[in-house]
Amino acid sequence: AQSVTQLGSHVSVSEGALVLLRCNYSSSVPPYLFWYVQYPNQGLQLLLKYTSAATLVKGINGFEAEFKKSETSFHLTKPSAHMSDAAEYFCAVMPGGYQKVTFGTGTKLQVIP
Amino acid sequence: DAGVTQSPTHLIKTRGQQVTLRCSPKSGHDTVSWYQQALGQGPQFIFQYYEEEERQRGNFPDRFSGHQFPNYSSELNVNALLLGDSALYLCASSSQKGVREQFFGPGTRLTVL
Repeated sequence: AQSVTQLGSHVSVSEGALVLLRCNYSSSVPPYLFWYVQYPNQGLQLLLKYTSAATLVKGINGFEAEFKKSETSFHLTKPSAHMSDAAEYFCAVMPGGYQKVTFGTGTKLQVIP
Repeated sequence: DAGVTQSPTHLIKTRGQQVTLRCSPKSGHDTVSWYQQALGQGPQFIFQYYEEEERQRGNFPDRFSGHQFPNYSSELNVNALLLGDSALYLCASSSQKGVREQFFGPGTRLTVL
């Protein structure tokens, strides 16, 4: 069985500061990993995905994530926060070859002007 | 490409009633998954349809059922509604080819009174 743990249900950063959202996973097989963003009253938008190619993955809106197998982590970063980044972010894991996706509980990002 | 579409946007029902939610997948996708997202929680996997059959199921009671049509669109049915069924219901579509990442619709907000 797979699971995802997102550390910190709420994260606040100043505009222009580094964004770091933490995600640890467990999976019995090599996983695919995803980060999604959700704005209020909307569905989920895919930010980026790890599919066993490069360990450093670049996504949309300047976000990137690094897959670290030894730490079972897939943390999301952005060098400089923008007000429009305020949203809820979900890390998700899908065991390779299957399509049942397991989501973390989410991290709400607040960007302070 | 219209992406994943869901209807209706909002729905209000009373306890004991039945509800049907609809989803049209992204063009080129053949697999539909349904998720329940309670307020403040991450999405929880309900089930997945491929080739008009339920392929995987999460930990949801039999009150939750679904269907997939030959054009790949899908319905989620919930019988004997409970107050706890109030949530955002998300549909995601994917393809059996490639990475199989899921693309989400905007969701249907169900309120049970």
